[in-house]
Amino acid sequence: GAGVSQTPSNKVTEKGKYVELRCDPISGHTALYWYRQSLGQGPEFLIYFQGTGAADDSGLPNDRFFAVRPEGSVSTLKIQRTERGDSAVYLCASSSTHRERDGGEQFFGPGTRLTVL
Amino acid sequence: AQTVTQSQPEMSVQEAETVTLSCTYDTSESNYYLFWYKQPPSRQMILVIRQEAYKQQNATENRFSVNFQKAAKSFSLKISDSQLGDTAMYFCAFMNPTPRGFGNEKLTFGTGTRLTIIP
Repeated sequence: GAGVSQTPSNKVTEKGKYVELRCDPISGHTALYWYRQSLGQGPEFLIYFQGTGAADDSGLPNDRFFAVRPEGSVSTLKIQRTERGDSAVYLCASSSTHRERDGGEQFFGPGTRLTVL
Repeated sequence: AQTVTQSQPEMSVQEAETVTLSCTYDTSESNYYLFWYKQPPSRQMILVIRQEAYKQQNATENRFSVNFQKAAKSFSLKISDSQLGDTAMYFCAFMNPTPRGFGNEKLTFGTGTRLTIIP
């Protein structure tokens, strides 16, 4: 079966522009996570969806960042008025609710590298 | 809040040798999961091995094994018979599960160790 996919693979934009990053999780996975990985760092949590609702958005750095998952599958991370500091790799992960079977594993996509000029 | 520390930014080892990557963490929880993820240049995070805190036996997956010391809050990864394909960034990660079976099970990552296997 297909893994987690993310589009685009790379995105270059100018400061002040709006961008959308898409994540397509593994079919049937109800939990979806967004992480941000800055250069030389480990991924940092941004937001978590259980189904269609954002159960925890405590990692979003400010109100320029927003994410949706309207049908409980595909998710879009939206960044308004981009800043150079937003440059990073944005990773998406999904997992099932069968934690006892899967041991809590999150399956990651290849990420979107965002560069803000 | 949980923290994860990886004190070795870079390591290198000859092919076929054994290497150990260190990880320490800080938590007040008694039940949790620990993971080692591998991230090659392709950026895809791949699960290497996981450990449940309530299990005393150290996890093993083929050439990969862990040394889990709960009291010391230490979780090191040992790679035996290292191969060129093991070259990658390795991240230690912590997860605090919720009792109901699902919930906000976000991962907290360390800063990673860049491992290079030398031919």
